[in-house]
Amino acid sequence: AQTVTQSQPEMSVQEAETVTLSCTYDTSESDYYLFWYKQPPSRQMILVIRQEAYKQQNATENRFSVNFQKAAKSFSLKISDSQLGDAAMYFCAYRPYSGAGSYQLTFGKGTKLSVIP
Amino acid sequence: DTEVTQTPKHLVMGMTNKKSLKCEQHMGHRAMYWYKQKAKKPPELMFVYSYEKLSINESVPSRFSPECPNSSLLNLHLHALQPEDSALYLCASSRRGDAVAKNIQYFGAGTRLSVL
Repeated sequence: AQTVTQSQPEMSVQEAETVTLSCTYDTSESDYYLFWYKQPPSRQMILVIRQEAYKQQNATENRFSVNFQKAAKSFSLKISDSQLGDAAMYFCAYRPYSGAGSYQLTFGKGTKLSVIP
Repeated sequence: DTEVTQTPKHLVMGMTNKKSLKCEQHMGHRAMYWYKQKAKKPPELMFVYSYEKLSINESVPSRFSPECPNSSLLNLHLHALQPEDSALYLCASSRRGDAVAKNIQYFGAGTRLSVL
């Protein structure tokens, strides 16, 4: 079974600074997708960024980038120039590439990010 | 437009009540999902509908009854719930109905359910 571990229950960052959220996962699959979702107090889960395991290049979306280390099964999220609106719970998630199991998003327990003005 | 709309936003019900949660999307998505999220926990998958047919039921108690009347609408019928069923219920949809990981799931804002 796949597992996703986020070892930082809470983190804080100064506005305009950079912060990195950690995620490790365990799987026997070779092809899969990894995601970072953000859940602000409004409760809606919002996709921040995704990474396809067969792509070596790290994904980037504006101020958000990942450091994907497939051999180490590590998938960290870097937020640059942090803004007040980045304050939220961040979930790392895994999906196998295909098969019935790929309906399922396996989430980590989340990291609550606070942004200090 | 990636909007998934859930109603109601909040719901309080007694253990003998029957109520329904509603989820709508008008993006032409062919897979729809129900998740349950307890406080300070990640979401847990309950059901998946693919092309309006139930594809996955994650051993959910029968007091939760999903329904997909058409490709845009997903309901969750609730009956004889227990206080431990109090949670945030999230709906999601994805473009393709088949099980491929690149099929991004778009979430609604959820229904906060309290069972008294």
